[in-house]
Amino acid sequence: GAGVSQSPRYKVAKRGQDVALRCDPISGHVSLFWYQQALGQGPEFLTYFQNEAQLDKSGLPSDRFFAERPEGSVSTLKIQRTQQEDSAVYLCASSLERGANEQYFGPGTRLTVT
Amino acid sequence: KQEVTQIPAALSVPEGENLVLNCSFTDSAIYNLQWFRQDPGKGLTSLLLIQSSQREQTSGRLNASLDKSSGRSTLYIAASQPGDSATYLCAVPPRFGGSNYKLTFGKGTLLTVNP
Repeated sequence: GAGVSQSPRYKVAKRGQDVALRCDPISGHVSLFWYQQALGQGPEFLTYFQNEAQLDKSGLPSDRFFAERPEGSVSTLKIQRTQQEDSAVYLCASSLERGANEQYFGPGTRLTVT
Repeated sequence: KQEVTQIPAALSVPEGENLVLNCSFTDSAIYNLQWFRQDPGKGLTSLLLIQSSQREQTSGRLNASLDKSSGRSTLYIAASQPGDSATYLCAVPPRFGGSNYKLTFGKGTLLTVNP
């Protein structure tokens, strides 16, 4: 079956621009996660949704980062007024049930802020 | 705060060798431990998940062990192949605090298997 998909795969933004990154989880998966992976580092947790509810946003680095999942399926991560330090790969993952279960990752969106 | 360390950072071996990748974590109160592989420009693929009550898991040529008391896990790859070349990451979520979904990752081991 189809896995987690993300779009766009690559995004170049000028400093100060707003960007929106999309994640399509595996159909029927309750939980959705966003991670940020800087070059040469492991992924770092950003936020967690259970259906449409954002239960944990403790990893969002600043109030310029905003995520939503209004209908409990597709999710969008929005970054306002992008800065160079936002350059990273943004990974989305989903899992079948709530809480701690195996997470299935998408290919990521590579964001470069110039 | 949980810290995950992976040693070595990079490893290059000839095809056919057996090899071991190491993962250590500072807080033994983990819910499980997961090993992933990441190919360049791609997302993470789950390889093995070991529950905190388990000691090891096997899948094909891969075997992962877990020693919670010492804060260590190893990933053993038998008869390595060039297709095994990738970055291998381990990750742990906390057992307590209600956030057992929140994975803390190591930086990974970059494995190159030479033909």
